[in-house]
Amino acid sequence: NAGVTQTPKFQVLKTGQSMTLQCAQDMNHEYMSWYRQDPGMGLRLIHYSVGAGITDQGEVPNGYNVSRSTTEDFPLRLLSAAPSQTSVYFCASSYRGQGATYNSPLHFGNGTRLTVT
Amino acid sequence: KQEVTQIPAALSVPEGENLVLNCSFTDSAIYNLQWFRQDPGKGLTSLLLIQSSQREQTSGRLNASLDKSSGRSTLYIAASQPGDSATYLCAVGRAGNNRKLIWGLGTSLAVNP
Repeated sequence: NAGVTQTPKFQVLKTGQSMTLQCAQDMNHEYMSWYRQDPGMGLRLIHYSVGAGITDQGEVPNGYNVSRSTTEDFPLRLLSAAPSQTSVYFCASSYRGQGATYNSPLHFGNGTRLTVT
Repeated sequence: KQEVTQIPAALSVPEGENLVLNCSFTDSAIYNLQWFRQDPGKGLTSLLLIQSSQREQTSGRLNASLDKSSGRSTLYIAASQPGDSATYLCAVGRAGNNRKLIWGLGTSLAVNP
C-alpha cells in the first residue's frame, strides 16, 4: 500500500515552461487536493476534487489546471511557469471530502519542490 | 474570517519533558480540527482528528483537546523523545464549507537528548 505518490520530487523550470506534477493514490479515496506550501504563508489550497470527473478551485487556482479522469490520479498542470510559482507542492487525499459529515483525515504525499527561474 | 494561530513558532525542550502545543482559532463554528506532523523534506502525517462534538482524542503519548467556546486546541505530548522533533500543524475545518481547511503556520519542536 503506497498511499499518496507524487512525482517528480524536484523540478527546475524556466519562466514560461509548462509541466505536469503527478499524484496517484491507491486507497480508493474520493477526495483529492493540491496544496502549495510557502514560508510564512502556510498551506494554501490550489484545486480539489471530490470524485472522478469533478474538480473545483481552491484559494490560489490561477496559473494551474487539474483534471480527474480516474479515482486514483489527480495531476496538476502549470500552464506557463512563473517565479511566483516556486514552492513545495503537496497532493493530499481522504476517504471523503473535508466536510461536516465526512470527518476523515487527510493523507499527504511527500511533495514536489519546484523552482522557477 | 477564520484565522488559525499557533504559538510558539518554535520550541526546544529536553528529552523526557511533557509539553503542550497550542492552536487558536477565531471562529468557533468549526466541524473538526486536525493535528499533523511534518518532518523536514516530507509530507504531513495526520496525528489526531477531533470532531466538533468531541472534547479530546488520544493516540499513544499524544492527547489533543478542543474547546470551541474559547477557540483553542492543545496537543499534549507525554514523555517527549528526540524522534518527536518535527513541525506540528493544526488545521480547522469550517462549518458550512465542506471543502477547505484553514491552516496554522505550525510549531517547530526540537527535543534534545
